[in-house]
Order: sequence, then structure tokens, then C-alpha cells
Amino acid sequence: DAKTTQPNSMESNEEEPVHLPCNHSTISGTDYIHWYRQLPSQGPEYVIHGLTSNVNNRMASLAIAEDRKSSTLILHRATLRDAAVYYCILRDRGSTLGRLYFGRGTQLTVWP
Amino acid sequence: SAVISQKPSRDICQRGTSLTIQCQVDSQVTMMFWYRQQPGQSLTLIATANQGSEATYESGFVIDKFPISRPNLTFSTLTVSNMSPEDSSIYLCSVSNSQGSGELFFGEGSRLTVL
Repeated sequence: DAKTTQPNSMESNEEEPVHLPCNHSTISGTDYIHWYRQLPSQGPEYVIHGLTSNVNNRMASLAIAEDRKSSTLILHRATLRDAAVYYCILRDRGSTLGRLYFGRGTQLTVWP
Repeated sequence: SAVISQKPSRDICQRGTSLTIQCQVDSQVTMMFWYRQQPGQSLTLIATANQGSEATYESGFVIDKFPISRPNLTFSTLTVSNMSPEDSSIYLCSVSNSQGSGELFFGEGSRLTVL
């Protein structure tokens, strides 16, 4: 699976938007981009995923660059509960969902 | 969605002993997986639990150390054998109902400390 690069940490104030970047310059045409987050003392939870087009759901938006070599997870209004480690993961469409390879992720701190 | 229960949630174990972690899902699922998260680290996939057959292990993990069972579509166990302090980790069960894209659901994890 292709690798991703994320900043180790980011900070935001409550109720402000947060843009979490992810670089994946070696992404292949069949790689999905998945985002998960892990709140303190919990297992990871799914946030969003996409292939080529931007995606929106109740939790976040995923903006994918036209060349797909980078993506950005957007939290529109950060809350204290959004403080977590955010993982950007590539998964080949042909591989088994669940065989995910987690990097170190970005630790997001949200200030009140 | 799937609700995953893991037991025990945490335990303190002695070196050389073995411990079995249980993972119970509230509905039938296609795929079940076991991950490990060592202190301060990210998650590492241990194996895919296959119903009725031997688990599929990732590189660096072997059946003798981490035997896995999956007798049906809602239950799996992971045993950590002959434990050493290096096995102190959080062990997480995860499930999916899709072979394609989609969500992977995780349990809360089982935190093991080996003395």
C-alpha cells in the first residue's frame, strides 16, 4: 500500500474550521483515501473516505486534489470532542477492507 | 453499524502466562481483524480472523504466539501466548461487512500490561 505523510500535530480553537492535510504522492489509480480518528482511550472510528471526487458527510468533508497526490480532511467547526489522532490511510480497491495500514497520524488539539 | 464488545477491557498479567481476549459483535459480519497498538504508537494489523479456518497473519506475527479462533460470524478470540513485557499493548478487534470500500468498526480495545 502506498504511504501517506501527515503533520505530527495541529491545533485549532473551538468553533473554527480545521484543515488536516495528507500527502500521498505515490497513490495509485485504484487507491481509496480513508480517514479514521482515534479519541483518547478509544478504538479508531471511521470518518470519511473517497476515491476521486470530494465527499461530504455529517462528520467532515474530504477534499481530494485533482492529481490525487494530496487530500484534506475538513472539520467545519471544531469542537472539544474533535480532539483526537487523525489517520489518513490509502487502501487499494482490490484489497480486503480491514487490512488497513495506519501511519502515525496527526494529533489534533482543540482549545476552548 | 456494528457494536463490538471486547473482554477483558484491561488486565495485568505475569510474564510467561497466556491470555485470551474475546470479541463479540452484535450482528453477523463478514470480516474480523485483530490489531495491536503498542504504547504511544499507531495501530498494527496482526491478522485476519477467518471463520472456520486458520487466521491469515501479517508479516511479523505467527500463530504460535497469537492463536486466533473464529467459530462463527459474530465471535472471535485472540490469545497472546507466553507473554513478555514487550507484549504490553492495546489489542483491538475490528469488523467489516464489505469487501469493497466502506467502514471498518473497532472495539474499545483490551489493554494488557505484562509484568
